[in-house]
Amino acid sequence: DIQMTQSPSTLSASVRDRVTITCRASQNISDSVAWYQQKPGKTPQFLMYKASTLGREVPSRFSGSGSGTQFTLTISGLQPDDFATYYCQQYKNVPFTFGPGTKVDIK
Amino acid sequence: EVQLVESGGGLVEPGRSRRLSCLTSGFAFGDFTLTWIRQAPGKGLEWVGFSTMKPDGVSTKYAPSVEGRFIISRDDSKSIVYLQMNSLRTDDTAVYYCVLGLGILANWGQGTQVTVSS
Repeated sequence: DIQMTQSPSTLSASVRDRVTITCRASQNISDSVAWYQQKPGKTPQFLMYKASTLGREVPSRFSGSGSGTQFTLTISGLQPDDFATYYCQQYKNVPFTFGPGTKVDIK
Repeated sequence: EVQLVESGGGLVEPGRSRRLSCLTSGFAFGDFTLTWIRQAPGKGLEWVGFSTMKPDGVSTKYAPSVEGRFIISRDDSKSIVYLQMNSLRTDDTAVYYCVLGLGILANWGQGTQVTVSS
């Protein structure tokens, strides 16, 4: 099975900061990565797929990059609505697996 | 508008079974993959499995943690996907989400809580 790791596990930031979350896969998964945002007590929300393609209505301050085994999610200009936990997921091979999550909280 | 509504959660004793249902609408059910994701209390997301249509019939895949105990089935006439959970264990306690899609999970249900406890 492909293992996904994320760093950091927690990230403290301020509004308008630029933040970057890293996701690593245990083997080459090309660009088969999606990212999700989850707020406490809420359903996860889809952000992007194919490592960098934004979902509909996802703000352009979110961007993604990477291929192979290393991927990043960047938020350029953190907004109050962005404080949440972020998960990466690989969909290259079954079982599709998620990273453990990165919590972005208020500094 | 795509809608997915899970039901069937609740308290169940270890070793027993439970069936979850996900009633869907707003898309051509027979053409799409339905995935189950779960989230244990205070934990991250865990992919459980999916049901997808192939030219020669339905195909299902499962996570190793549920393989042999959980079964995903679908009723195309009712636009419902099921998650039959057998031999439940305490570590199956989680919110179970029904999700439209295969690798790209863009539409989620609200989830249903399953608690496995004696």
